[in-house]
Amino acid sequence: DAGVIQSPRHEVTEMGQEVTLRCKPISGHNSLFWYRQTMMRGLELLIYFNNNVPIDDSGMPEDRFSAKMPNASFSTLKIQPSEPRDSAVYFCASSLRLAGGNEQFFGPGTRLTVL
Amino acid sequence: GNSVTQMEGPVTLSEEAFLTINCTYTATGYPSLFWYVQYPGEGLQLLLKATKADDKGSNKGFEATYRKETTSFHLEKGSVQVSDSAVYFCALSEKGGYEKLTFGTGTRLTIIP
Repeated sequence: DAGVIQSPRHEVTEMGQEVTLRCKPISGHNSLFWYRQTMMRGLELLIYFNNNVPIDDSGMPEDRFSAKMPNASFSTLKIQPSEPRDSAVYFCASSLRLAGGNEQFFGPGTRLTVL
Repeated sequence: GNSVTQMEGPVTLSEEAFLTINCTYTATGYPSLFWYVQYPGEGLQLLLKATKADDKGSNKGFEATYRKETTSFHLEKGSVQVSDSAVYFCALSEKGGYEKLTFGTGTRLTIIP
């Protein structure tokens, strides 16, 4: 199993540009999570999906952020327009929702730098 | 709401020292508890977990026991190695929900030879 795949691994862009981060969860998993990690704020849950449906997007910082999961094997996190304060490492994680204590498997992350 | 409080870092130890990283939680009901580890430049990976009171999770020499009476899940290792240098996150999830994880702030551990 290839694990959770994220692309790109690194992204450098200029303020105002659109950024799209991509995630392929582990095959067979039915829950997907997007996180943001910064030194100042630690690890924050942005949004999570179950069976491709967004369940909780209360962590999305503002309307500039949007996430989609068109099918069970692909999700995107889009920032439009990007700002320097969006610079962070963005992680995608997936899990198989069962009763009690399921492990989330994390991807390697996308390091985003907005200049 | 749910919350996880873990030991402030950074923690620096000599090789072969005993490690404890404290973690306490607040939750409604009886959550599942986890320790995740993040090595430099990588994503988080599960280190160990416990799903009910008095369960002990263990992996790679690390252990943690689910203590309902003290709402704690402290991470311990008897003899640390340089390769254990990483950031450690305590987390919980409510059973029966969508398995959303609530993380602590992370504790950076550095082991010196």
